[in-house]
Amino acid sequence: AQSVAQPEDQVNVAEGNPLTVKCTYSVSGNPYLFWYVQYPNRGLQFLLKYITGDNLVKGSYGFEAEFNKSQTSFHLKKPSALVSDSALYFCAVRQGSGSARQLTFGSGTQLTVLP
Amino acid sequence: EAQVTQNPRYLITVTGKKLTVTCSQNMNHEYMSWYRQDPGLGLRQIYYSMNVEVTDKGDVPEGYKVSRKEKRNFPLILESPSPNQTSLYFCASSPGGGSNQPQHFGDGTRLSIL
Repeated sequence: AQSVAQPEDQVNVAEGNPLTVKCTYSVSGNPYLFWYVQYPNRGLQFLLKYITGDNLVKGSYGFEAEFNKSQTSFHLKKPSALVSDSALYFCAVRQGSGSARQLTFGSGTQLTVLP
Repeated sequence: EAQVTQNPRYLITVTGKKLTVTCSQNMNHEYMSWYRQDPGLGLRQIYYSMNVEVTDKGDVPEGYKVSRKEKRNFPLILESPSPNQTSLYFCASSPGGGSNQPQHFGDGTRLSIL
């Protein structure tokens, strides 16, 4: 069975500082990895994905994520946080081959950027 | 505008009274899915559909039914709702088989079962 762990329920960071939201995963074979963001009273919005290729993936709003196969991690990063980045962030994984089409989400990390 | 539309957005109802949450997408996506979001548990997949007349169980299918008679619609049916189905529900869609494509989400339906 595939799974995702987001070890931090809450991350606080000062505006202008770098931020990291952690994600580790477990899946058979090669993973397809995604980050989504959720603002209050809204659905999830896609930020970025890793399918194959370069381990550093760049996405929307200045976010990036680094795929580390040996550590089975896909941490979300941003060099300089904005107050408007405050939201709930979800990591998700899907098996990259075979017939399985289930997408498994982590429990979410609430990011608060302090002015 | 490309979107996934869910209705209703909010519903308060009573145990045992059948209800349907509709989901419609205008992007001609093959893959559609339902999730429930509960505090501390993230999103859990209820059912998904790879295409018309093709549906499969996710991680938490008990107490739910779905159908996919048309490509654009994927209703979620609770035939006998119970209080433990009180949750925030999301419908999502993506193109192709859905494997490496990001999903587009609706804005959610908040269900309260009394």
